[in-house]
Amino acid sequence: SQELEQSPQSLIVQEGKNLTINCTSSKTLYGLYWYKQKYGEGLIFLMMLQKGGEEKSHEKITAKLDEKKQQSSLHITASQPSHAGIYLCGADFASGTYKYIFGTGTRLKVLA
Amino acid sequence: NAGVTQTPKFQVLKTGQSMTLQCAQDMNHNSMYWYRQDPGMGLRLIYYSASEGTTDKGEVPNGYNVSRLNKREFSLRLESAAPSQTSVYFCASSEAWGSAGNTIYFGEGSWLTVV
Repeated sequence: SQELEQSPQSLIVQEGKNLTINCTSSKTLYGLYWYKQKYGEGLIFLMMLQKGGEEKSHEKITAKLDEKKQQSSLHITASQPSHAGIYLCGADFASGTYKYIFGTGTRLKVLA
Repeated sequence: NAGVTQTPKFQVLKTGQSMTLQCAQDMNHNSMYWYRQDPGMGLRLIYYSASEGTTDKGEVPNGYNVSRLNKREFSLRLESAAPSQTSVYFCASSEAWGSAGNTIYFGEGSWLTVV
């Protein structure tokens, strides 16, 4: 959705490198959700961020939500081949009518 | 740990044929959804059911019908399949629609090809 922009669209990194994926909204959001998708496995929920300035970590993945609640970043430290897949951000909004949308995804490839 | 289960995983249909995608969740969620995922388009909401007994159109409802059979089950029907409906379909569920912090949990997807 154009209301939720993800960048970059694709990323190839060498194993062991750090990387960052961004998700930007033009509106203040209720919540920001990160998912990972591997072929044939559906979307796996990673993390939810709700408060401005919030940061959460799971293993080597850290997600942050900015103070204005319009931008989130997903940072992977020391990437591994197991991190490869498509990362999707989703967000819900309540300006007028409740709405839940997704970005178009970032395809990550990690070279061993 | 079933979560959201959808069937079938793969299906090939001829144009004009009908079929139903089945979905069930065991998380006692109130809300359920059907999305389709196409290259470059991301996930688009077809229909959702905010609670048992209600269904509403999403972004791309044309050519589809849904049934919320009970709290657990939400099916998606293609009455007369068209090649434009070739896609990956995801069923999903969440505790409630319209509330902040509404994490949506997805099934593994159904790959549908219409020839």
